[in-house]
Amino acid sequence: DIQMTQSPSTLSASVGDRVTITCRATHIINNWLAWYQQKPGKAPKLLIYMASNLASGVPSRFSGSGSGTEFTLTISSLQPDDFATYYCQKYNSYVYIFGQGTKVEIK
Amino acid sequence: EVQLVESGGGLIQSGGSLRLSCAASGFTISNNYMSWVRQAPGKGLEWVSVIYSGTSTYYADSVKGRFTISTDNSKNTVYLQMNSLRAEDTAVYYCARDADCGGDCSSGAFDIWGQGTIITVSS
Repeated sequence: DIQMTQSPSTLSASVGDRVTITCRATHIINNWLAWYQQKPGKAPKLLIYMASNLASGVPSRFSGSGSGTEFTLTISSLQPDDFATYYCQKYNSYVYIFGQGTKVEIK
Repeated sequence: EVQLVESGGGLIQSGGSLRLSCAASGFTISNNYMSWVRQAPGKGLEWVSVIYSGTSTYYADSVKGRFTISTDNSKNTVYLQMNSLRAEDTAVYYCARDADCGGDCSSGAFDIWGQGTIITVSS
């Protein structure tokens, strides 16, 4: 089975920083790769789908890129509302696999 | 408004059974792949099951043979029947919609989520 590994597990950053989170697959995958933001006690929110497509209503400071086995989520200028946990997720043949999450904390 | 509302959670003893419901509004569930995703306390997200193309289903290995996903299209509701519950099934259970893809297919991403319902399995 393909596993998804996110790095780092925790990231300390300041408002205005450029932040990059990486998601690596154990095998080459198609671009069915999504990114979510989750805040405590809330359901996840879709940010990016198909590796690089911005979901409806998501600010343009969020972007996704990558192919093959390595994908990245970038926040160009971190805002106070962005402190949260971020998950990558891949889909293949009716199975959805999440990464373990990256918590973005205030530095 | 497009919305998913879960219900049916609670405290249950190990070995027991529970059925979760997910009522959809603002769209027709038969037009989308529908999944259940869970999150154990303090842990990450774990996909549990999907129902697609009407009655086709798929399960995570951790629940295969114990959980059953189904739908009632007349009620626009998705269900998760959970049997032989274990302590490790304790989690918040979310219902999630696979985003529109223009047909009987997956977009690969969940665009609509419910608020979640909490299942606690006591040993």
